[in-house]
Amino acid sequence: GENVEQHPSTLSVQEGDSAVIKCTYSDSASNYFPWYKQELGKGPQLIIDIRSNVGEKKDQRIAVTLNKTAKHFSLHITETQPEDSAVYFCAASKVNSGYSTLTFGKGTMLLVSP
Amino acid sequence: NAGVTQTPKFRVLKTGQSMTLLCAQDMNHEYMYWYRQDPGMGLRLIHYSVGEGTTAKGEVPDGYNVSRLKKQNFLLGLESAAPSQTSVYFCASRPSLTDTQYFGPGTRLTVL
Repeated sequence: GENVEQHPSTLSVQEGDSAVIKCTYSDSASNYFPWYKQELGKGPQLIIDIRSNVGEKKDQRIAVTLNKTAKHFSLHITETQPEDSAVYFCAASKVNSGYSTLTFGKGTMLLVSP
Repeated sequence: NAGVTQTPKFRVLKTGQSMTLLCAQDMNHEYMYWYRQDPGMGLRLIHYSVGEGTTAKGEVPDGYNVSRLKKQNFLLGLESAAPSQTSVYFCASRPSLTDTQYFGPGTRLTVL
């Protein structure tokens, strides 16, 4: 089955700096890569996703890049703010039917200091 | 539109007791999922359903059973709880035409 590795496990940055979280996946057939943000005491919430036919996607301060050859994808957050502090999860899926499921990385705790 | 809701929010069980966690969604989503989240382990899929009346095993199904008698509800059962089942349980759902999963707020379960 699919295996998703995520690094780093914790990341501390100063407000205004950029943050990068990296993930690798094992199944070359995976074609859907979402990123979730989980605030303390809440369920994960989708913040951005990318499909295998696209190399990069941006949404305001957040961007995701995908390298299919190397089987890795990254989340980039620019101009970080204290409210960006949370746990971030990457995931991978082979979307080909209703039976497709997400495999998650183990998460990155991002701490943004004012 | 409440989205995905989970009942209860917290529960403490003794070893050997049974309980059922309820997940409900009001978005008419076809697919539903149960995950457990443990420190340093991320989210692991327990069971899922691709439609009313269907269930399928995920990555860590042992010790759990599920039922999807109604499209809007997905129940997770523990027949004989064990301390290893202490975890935070999340339910998620997604519509058939998109890949985005929407998560509930979670249930924190402690088994003593």
